[in-house]
Amino acid sequence: GAGVSQTPSNKVTEKGKYVELRCDPISGHTALYWYRQSLGQGPEFLIYFQGTGAADDSGLPNDRFFAVRPEGSVSTLKIQRTERGDSAVYLCASSFRGPPQGTDTQYFGPGTRLTVL
Amino acid sequence: AQSVAQPEDQVNVAEGNPLTVKCTYSVSGNPYLFWYVQYPNRGLQFLLKYITGDNLVKGSYGFEAEFNKSQTSFHLKKPSALVSDSALYFCAVRAQGTNAGKSTFGDGTTLTVKP
Repeated sequence: GAGVSQTPSNKVTEKGKYVELRCDPISGHTALYWYRQSLGQGPEFLIYFQGTGAADDSGLPNDRFFAVRPEGSVSTLKIQRTERGDSAVYLCASSFRGPPQGTDTQYFGPGTRLTVL
Repeated sequence: AQSVAQPEDQVNVAEGNPLTVKCTYSVSGNPYLFWYVQYPNRGLQFLLKYITGDNLVKGSYGFEAEFNKSQTSFHLKKPSALVSDSALYFCAVRAQGTNAGKSTFGDGTTLTVKP
């Protein structure tokens, strides 16, 4: 079956612009996660959703970052007033049930490479 | 706070030799532990996980990992390395309970298997 998909695969923008990154999870997965991976580092947690609600947004670096999942499936990560330091690969993952059952595996998409000039 | 350390940036082994990629962790309470592999320009692929039970966990592509609670370690192993195992490997930890959605990853270990 289809895995997690993310669009676009690459996004180049200018400092100060607004960007949206999209994630389509595996069908039937109730939990969805966003991570950010900078060069030479492991993925860094941003936020996760259980259904439509953000269950933990403690990893969002500041109020320029926001994510939604209005129908409990597709999610959009939104970044306002982008800065050069936002350049990274943004990874999305989904899992079948999510916390607190949380033993289930997170399956990752290929990521969106964001470059802020 | 939870954390993961992968003390080796790079591991080099010869094809056919055993390999070990090290991981230690810190978390409140009992951990869920995971290994992922990342190939160039591709997403993370799940290899194996420890949830509870037997300390030796077997996963995909012949990999296994041993959970050691006293040493807070979860080292990845394979008895006989293949050139195709060359990739970037990440260890991750999650806490049990309501915050179990947040995975904390190490910075990765690049495995190079030479023919």
